[in-house]
Amino acid sequence: QITLTESGPTLVKPTQTLTLTCTFSGFSLTTSGLGVAWIRQPPGKALEWLALNYWNDDKRYRPSLRSRLTVTKDTSKNQVVLTMTNMDPVDTGTYYCAHRHAVGLSFDYWGQGILVTVSS
Amino acid sequence: SYVLTQPPSVSVAPGQTARITCGGNNIGSKRVHWYQQKPGQAPVLVVYDDSDRPSGIPERFSGSNSGNTATLTISRVEAGDEADYYCQVWDSSSDWVFGGGTKLTVL
Repeated sequence: QITLTESGPTLVKPTQTLTLTCTFSGFSLTTSGLGVAWIRQPPGKALEWLALNYWNDDKRYRPSLRSRLTVTKDTSKNQVVLTMTNMDPVDTGTYYCAHRHAVGLSFDYWGQGILVTVSS
Repeated sequence: SYVLTQPPSVSVAPGQTARITCGGNNIGSKRVHWYQQKPGQAPVLVVYDDSDRPSGIPERFSGSNSGNTATLTISRVEAGDEADYYCQVWDSSSDWVFGGGTKLTVL
């Protein structure tokens, strides 16, 4: 059974750096083809893909946010960490991590999400 | 960047068929995936690769994709199907792209 859980601060100040951790079970990020993504959703708005870390440590980033995002994996801890710098109130939203389908390009398992508010 | 366009809302009576569209340039050449999101919950994959269903998803959910439009069809709609639905593709220039979402209301 695959599960993912997001953790981190729920309130950050503008200009601060956000660090979120996705802890997962039921799969290993050393398995060929797998990946863990970060996806966010501002309140009342649509889903927005942010980044993805592949099993082979290839990383993909949303082009418009590339300069602010870093994703890393720790296979020994079954974790993927997202770092987003220079946070702004427009970055407020629910942040999800998700398991990339092994043989496709969809996300078949999601964490419950963590609501991050950016406010002074 | 690649853009997916969905109608903001679709309404349907219980027992009827709901069709939610997702428009994109030559989307028929891509694999389309659909997610259901109920209030306060994480999205759930309901259709992947245009028309396949993950285990546990009712056969009432089906998908098609051709030309510039992909469609999620929900047959015999139930009150519990009321949710937001998002389409998603992978594009070589944009990576993972989501549509703007469609709110399905069951009358």
